[in-house]
Amino acid sequence: NAGVMQNPRHLVRRRGQEARLRCSPVKGHSHVYWYRQLPEEGLKFMVYLQKENIIDESGMPKERFSAEFPKEGPSILRIQQVVRGDSAAYFCASSPSVYNEQFFGPGTRLTVL
Amino acid sequence: AQTVTQSQPEMSVQEAETVTLSCTYDTSESDYYLFWYKQPPSRQMILVIRQEAYKQQNATENRFSVNFQKAAKSFSLKISDSQLGDAAMYFCALNYGGSQGNLIFGKGTKLSVKP
Repeated sequence: NAGVMQNPRHLVRRRGQEARLRCSPVKGHSHVYWYRQLPEEGLKFMVYLQKENIIDESGMPKERFSAEFPKEGPSILRIQQVVRGDSAAYFCASSPSVYNEQFFGPGTRLTVL
Repeated sequence: AQTVTQSQPEMSVQEAETVTLSCTYDTSESDYYLFWYKQPPSRQMILVIRQEAYKQQNATENRFSVNFQKAAKSFSLKISDSQLGDAAMYFCALNYGGSQGNLIFGKGTKLSVKP
């Protein structure tokens, strides 16, 4: 069984460009979570989605960041007009239900030049 | 607010010895789950062990076990017979009902294993 897949694994953007991060959850998992990890820090929750719905986006900056989980296809985390402070590792996790174990992808390391 | 605190930024253990990593948390919820995740240099997050708050029995997974003290809000991880492959960052995490399932992580403990 394939685990959570994320791509790209590494992404380099210049300030002002857009970054698109993709996450394919474990087959059959309908709950997707995005987390951000800054250097030397733990993971911080950003957004929780179910198919076609954003359930909780309380951890996501109000501007420039958006997320979606369409009926078909991967979940997308989109960062517009990136700034150097957006440089971090972004992890996606999926779960079959709210209180179950979350399975993490390998992360996308975003570097903003 | 719900918080998770790991007070040991770094720990070191001799191969084959036992080490305990500390974690304390704060929540007003009665129903919650606690986890330990391991993050090796590859950065992949790997679940080590899970504890449901309503269970009094401490969880065990092979060489990994927890000491769950609910009243003290403490959730430590014990690694027995440490192996070189155990070297990693270890994160304690809390999942509570009001969080819609999202995990609250501590800042992590970096474990080194000496041969």
